[in-house]
Amino acid sequence: GAVVSQHPSRVICKSGTSVKIECRSLDFQATTMFWYRQFPKQSLMLMATSNEGSKATYEQGVEKDKFLINHASLTLSTLTVTSAHPEDSSFYICSARWGDSPLHFGNGTRLTVT
Amino acid sequence: AQSVTQLGSHVSVSEGALVLLRCNYSSSVPPYLFWYVQYPNQGLQLLLKYTTGATLVKGINGFEAEFKKSETSFHLTKPSAHMSDAAEYFCAVSVDGNQFYFGTGTSLTVIP
Repeated sequence: GAVVSQHPSRVICKSGTSVKIECRSLDFQATTMFWYRQFPKQSLMLMATSNEGSKATYEQGVEKDKFLINHASLTLSTLTVTSAHPEDSSFYICSARWGDSPLHFGNGTRLTVT
Repeated sequence: AQSVTQLGSHVSVSEGALVLLRCNYSSSVPPYLFWYVQYPNQGLQLLLKYTTGATLVKGINGFEAEFKKSETSFHLTKPSAHMSDAAEYFCAVSVDGNQFYFGTGTSLTVIP
């Protein structure tokens, strides 16, 4: 089956630093990738949708300057949390698809900002 | 606009008992419907999906769901719960295959 690899699985950073999270489609070319944020015991909140080679489309209320998304190739998208603060601590999940395939999810990244 | 309501944020069943997780949706056009399972600190895994055709959909791990248009429901069932079924379950709806709307999730506990 289609595999999406997300790295790192856990990261702890100090307040004010930036953190990059990678999302890779290992055995397919992802035409579209999605980034979600999940708070404890809550559902996934779509942050942005990215298509290869074009700018990401951010959902309302998501700061594009804080959450930088790059989808440079058909197999890699990155989410950079810039100038992280404790309130950015969360579980971040990516998903990917090609054409009209189902979504394939990464295993998520637990970000803790101290 | 689309939305998903999952009734019951927590469901507990005994091992071997029927599992029933409820999902109702709201959509202005015929939707695609999905059930995903999430284990702790992991992403979501697709259990099953309904797009068109047969309204009773069978998925992995013995789960199935039935699309009932008249009731705008897509409830997830499994005849006999197993300890390994304990997880968080999410119902989702999409009309274009890109924008997915997830329910708030149901945590399933299986009691030995």
